[in-house]
Amino acid sequence: KQEVTQIPAALSVPEGENLVLNCSFTDSAIYNLQWFRQDPGKGLTSLLLIQSSQREQTSGRLNASLDKSSGRSTLYIAASQPGDSATYLCAPHGSGNTGKLIFGQGTTLQVKP
Amino acid sequence: DAMVIQNPRYQVTQFGKPVTLSCSQTLNHNVMYWYQQKSSQAPKLLFHYYDKDFNNEADTPDNFQSRRPNTSFCFLDIRSPGLGDAAMYLCATSRRATDGYTFGSGTRLTVV
Repeated sequence: KQEVTQIPAALSVPEGENLVLNCSFTDSAIYNLQWFRQDPGKGLTSLLLIQSSQREQTSGRLNASLDKSSGRSTLYIAASQPGDSATYLCAPHGSGNTGKLIFGQGTTLQVKP
Repeated sequence: DAMVIQNPRYQVTQFGKPVTLSCSQTLNHNVMYWYQQKSSQAPKLLFHYYDKDFNNEADTPDNFQSRRPNTSFCFLDIRSPGLGDAAMYLCATSRRATDGYTFGSGTRLTVV
C-alpha cells in the first residue's frame, strides 16, 4: 500500500526566499507524480506532472524533481511571493490496475510580505 | 476553456436526508474520480469510473454511491448523510488511468 509523507507539515518564510518542499513515497512503481496547490476551501490546482521516466519538470518559478528509485520528490519554489501561500500536495500515481493518485497530507506554506 | 465543474459549491443537508453532488467535464476524459477530503486531511479516493466501468474502493462506506449516465457527467449520491460525512468532495478526471488528473473546485458539504 502506497504511503506518502510530506515534510515539513508547515512552513513560514519571508517574501523572496527560495524554498524546498519534500515528498517521500513507499512504492516506487508509479506512472507519474503530480504536485498540486490547494487554497483554503478550494479545489486542487495541478502545478506540475512528472512522468516516471523524467527527472524534473519546470514551470515558471517552480521546479519539481523525481527520484523514483529512492521514492522521493522535491518541489522547489524560487523567489517566493505572498501569493504562493497555500497548501502543496504531492501525489504519486500508482501503476496498479486502478492507477490512482495517493495524496500526502500536504505542506502548508505561508509567505510573509 | 475545457474544465471540470462541480455543483453546487456549497451544500447543506439534514442528517439522514439523501443528497446528490454533481460533476461535469468538457475534457472528454475517459476516467472520472470522486475524492473525499475532511478538514486538514489528505484527499481520499472513494471510487472512480473508467468509461462505464465502476470501481469502488474497499473502504468506501455503502452509504456512498455513484452514477455516470454519460461521458460528461458523474454524480455522487449519499443515501443517509451522517455528521461524519461533512467534508469537501472533489471530482477529478483523467484522459487515461495513467495520465495526470484535472480537479474541479469541489463541493463543501455540511450536515446539520
